[in-house]
Amino acid sequence: AAGVIQSPRHLIKEKRETATLKCYPIPRHDTVYWYQQGPGQDPQFLISFYEKMQSDKGSIPDRFSAQQFSDYHSELNMSSLELGDSALYFCASSSPYLGTSETYEQYFGPGTRLTVT
Amino acid sequence: AQRVTQPEKLLSVFKGAPVELKCNYSYSGSPELFWYVQYSRQRLQLLLRHISRESIKGFTADLNKGETSFHLKKPFAQEEDSAMYYCALRGEYNAGNMLTFGGGTRLMVKP
Repeated sequence: AAGVIQSPRHLIKEKRETATLKCYPIPRHDTVYWYQQGPGQDPQFLISFYEKMQSDKGSIPDRFSAQQFSDYHSELNMSSLELGDSALYFCASSSPYLGTSETYEQYFGPGTRLTVT
Repeated sequence: AQRVTQPEKLLSVFKGAPVELKCNYSYSGSPELFWYVQYSRQRLQLLLRHISRESIKGFTADLNKGETSFHLKKPFAQEEDSAMYYCALRGEYNAGNMLTFGGGTRLMVKP
């Protein structure tokens, strides 16, 4: 079965540069979540989108922005990168309409490892 | 505010030994609790959700509202169980369905 796709898988940027991370949800999933996992830390929720609208916001810095497009893929834009932004960025997707125990279950992508030097 | 605590960063057991990964939570309402597993170099995968009360790969977890715990248990650990385990909570009032994760416990099963 198709899974959540994230690109790129690895990204190296310098301080003050910008980065764009992409997430392609599972087909027919309309909700996308972004999480940040720093080295040795647990995943922290950043932001989520439902039907192309922001639905919840976590600890996302003002330097970051995100959006969900008409095909439900999402992009996380990160500007003025700092060393502390080095982390694994996970995207997850879900759907509220499956009518089964899997409704709302979040399926995670493989993550994008961002290294800021 | 919701919070998930996994007190053990690392748990090391021998193959065939029982395993218990602890998870405690803080939430004022009725949360949904999950266990996610992350094998080496792989994505996070859902292992268990408390509402389904199922047993996956021999693992079980019972939600204890009195103790606000959702410990993960397995009677006989296998080497392939070695992985990172995260306990996660979803609050009933979350319009966005976000998950709050605990700090994770690395389980190492030695031969």
